[in-house]
Amino acid sequence: NAGVMQNPRHLVRRRGQEARLRCSPMKGHSHVYWYRQLPEEGLKFMVYLQKENIIDESGMPKERFSAEFPKEGPSILRIQQVVRGDSAAYFCASSSGTEPGELFFGEGSRLTVL
Amino acid sequence: DAKTTQPPSMDCAEGRAANLPCNHSTISGNEYVYWYRQIHSQGPQYIIHGLKNNETNEMASLIITEDRKSSTLILPHATLRDTAVYYCIVRVAPWNSGGSNYKLTFGKGTLLTVNP
Repeated sequence: NAGVMQNPRHLVRRRGQEARLRCSPMKGHSHVYWYRQLPEEGLKFMVYLQKENIIDESGMPKERFSAEFPKEGPSILRIQQVVRGDSAAYFCASSSGTEPGELFFGEGSRLTVL
Repeated sequence: DAKTTQPPSMDCAEGRAANLPCNHSTISGNEYVYWYRQIHSQGPQYIIHGLKNNETNEMASLIITEDRKSSTLILPHATLRDTAVYYCIVRVAPWNSGGSNYKLTFGKGTLLTVNP
């Protein structure tokens, strides 16, 4: 039973380029969450999606960041015109939406902006 | 969701029990206590959760005080691989409250270092 799959595991971009991070939830899970972890800092919630809907994007920066979870295919976190401050580990998690509501996390995608 | 307070770091000898405390004095009646951990550079891992009663699974035990204002996560026989940041999170159960937001908010956690 595959867990949450994230790719790429490592991504290097130059300032101004776009970064696309993909997340395939666990089988049967329809809830996806994205978190960001800056170097030496804690996990910060970014966005919570259910299939085709954004439920909570209170942690998403207002500009350059977007997320989607289409009916078919993985969830995508897109960062346009990356800056050095976007360098971080981006973790995706999924859940079934039923009790006990635990989130299962992927191994993360590490973005480095040069 | 209620706030939690955890010590920033703790040490434990390998093979001994690790007892990680968490204060959640403002917890309300419909809030659960969840514990996660993050081993360096890996994704966080669910450990256990509880509401009122003590809970045990293959990873750990969770002891919640009668007034629910604090809890303790117990790793009965800590190993070197248990070195990680442990997060105590309090959250309303959305399936009980008619809500639909299942997100978890992580604090700074406790860095547990298991020493040989």
